[in-house]
Amino acid sequence: SQQGEEDPQALSIQEGENATMNCSYKTSINNLQWYRQNSGRGLVHLILIRSNEREKHSGRLRVTLDTSKKSSSLLITASRAADTASYFCAVGVPNTDKLIFGTGTRLQVFP
Amino acid sequence: DAGITQSPRHKVTETGTPVTLRCHQTENHRYMYWYRQDPGHGLRLIHYSYGVKDTDKGEVSDGYSVSRSKTEDFLLTLESATSSQTSVYFCATTGTGGVETQYFGPGTRLLVL
Repeated sequence: SQQGEEDPQALSIQEGENATMNCSYKTSINNLQWYRQNSGRGLVHLILIRSNEREKHSGRLRVTLDTSKKSSSLLITASRAADTASYFCAVGVPNTDKLIFGTGTRLQVFP
Repeated sequence: DAGITQSPRHKVTETGTPVTLRCHQTENHRYMYWYRQDPGHGLRLIHYSYGVKDTDKGEVSDGYSVSRSKTEDFLLTLESATSSQTSVYFCATTGTGGVETQYFGPGTRLLVL
């Protein structure tokens, strides 16, 4: 079963707007990661936040983690058409060598 | 780009035939993974390897086997392909702990008729 569930499944915005995607998971985690996938390509790692961190920034990306609610959010500020892609969260399962991926959010940014 | 290639990139086969997909990495990463991606399911782990000749099952391992005889290559075999194995297959690697950042290959599109 999936550990990570993203919300919304699809999101359409205009360039310049902010995009927020949410991820919920079920059990304890070592870390939570966000990946991006352009159509027909492999996944690319964006950012990793550890279970003892609450917020992390990387360029226009901001990730928050609330372990009490078992949820994370990814904020992309000032979106660009080039941000159009699918975004996946993945949780690192403690005491394993595995990541469990969610089903993804499909983001469309219109020029 | 972690230097991960997958071959073939596209394959069409018939039900009942064996199929082998290859993942090759040039980063000397210890961990290698095979995932499948299907609409509505995201990525699901098939098998993974934590060293040469060391492999373990993921959540959707039935009908698949793997082998890793050297660090750089991880092979995924569909022993007798079925239409339900039509999917996009991704290989990933990581050099540190398995729950750390993973680097993905470009994927293999497999169609089983």
